[in-house]
Amino acid sequence: SQKIEQNSEALNIQEGKTATLTCNYTNYSPAYLQWYRQDPGRGPVFLLLIRENEKEKRKERLKVTFDTTLKQSLFHITASQPADSATYLCALDLNTGNQFYFGTGTSLTVIP
Amino acid sequence: NAGVTQTPKFQVLKTGQSMTLQCAQDMNHNSMYWYRQDPGMGLRLIYYSASEGTTDKGEVPNGYNVSRLNKREFSLRLESAAPSQTSVYFCASSEAFSATEAFFGQGTRLTVV
Repeated sequence: SQKIEQNSEALNIQEGKTATLTCNYTNYSPAYLQWYRQDPGRGPVFLLLIRENEKEKRKERLKVTFDTTLKQSLFHITASQPADSATYLCALDLNTGNQFYFGTGTSLTVIP
Repeated sequence: NAGVTQTPKFQVLKTGQSMTLQCAQDMNHNSMYWYRQDPGMGLRLIYYSASEGTTDKGEVPNGYNVSRLNKREFSLRLESAAPSQTSVYFCASSEAFSATEAFFGQGTRLTVV
């Protein structure tokens, strides 16, 4: 069956450390993978998009990797801050028009 | 700069009642989507409209209908609400149906009793 799995447990890290979130998928062949941030009571907000032929993408303190062999994406937040506390969602874009297939999200708390 | 606007923000319905969730975007996007978000299930696509004049079923379309009224507006209708439709509903839009970021509304929290 098709599955998208993100860190099942909530992630708590100390301010200033690097947070690493995982997104694993099975039986999908995404052309693109996106990461979103969602705050309580709000809609998701786009962070980064990475294509299947890209290994890594960076934006300020954010870095995303995409390994189509392992069927995994890693999302890193360096020098984390309490304001980074939120739920982070990965989304698979199959380029078929049925946009997108979302993971259940990982809740990140950055402790001051 | 409003982005994607959904109405209402909260709604309580009795089983069997009907209602329409409204969504409008002001970014001239071609594609629009309706998702529902349930605890432990993630966001699931209900219906989408790849372009004005077209609509297609997503992952969980049963019990819903949609109308792409024009390029700006995409509504979601529950004809006979059921408790299983208690959820948070999000409308989203994007410039194209793939490889572009999606912009989400603030959500509608619907409770069916």
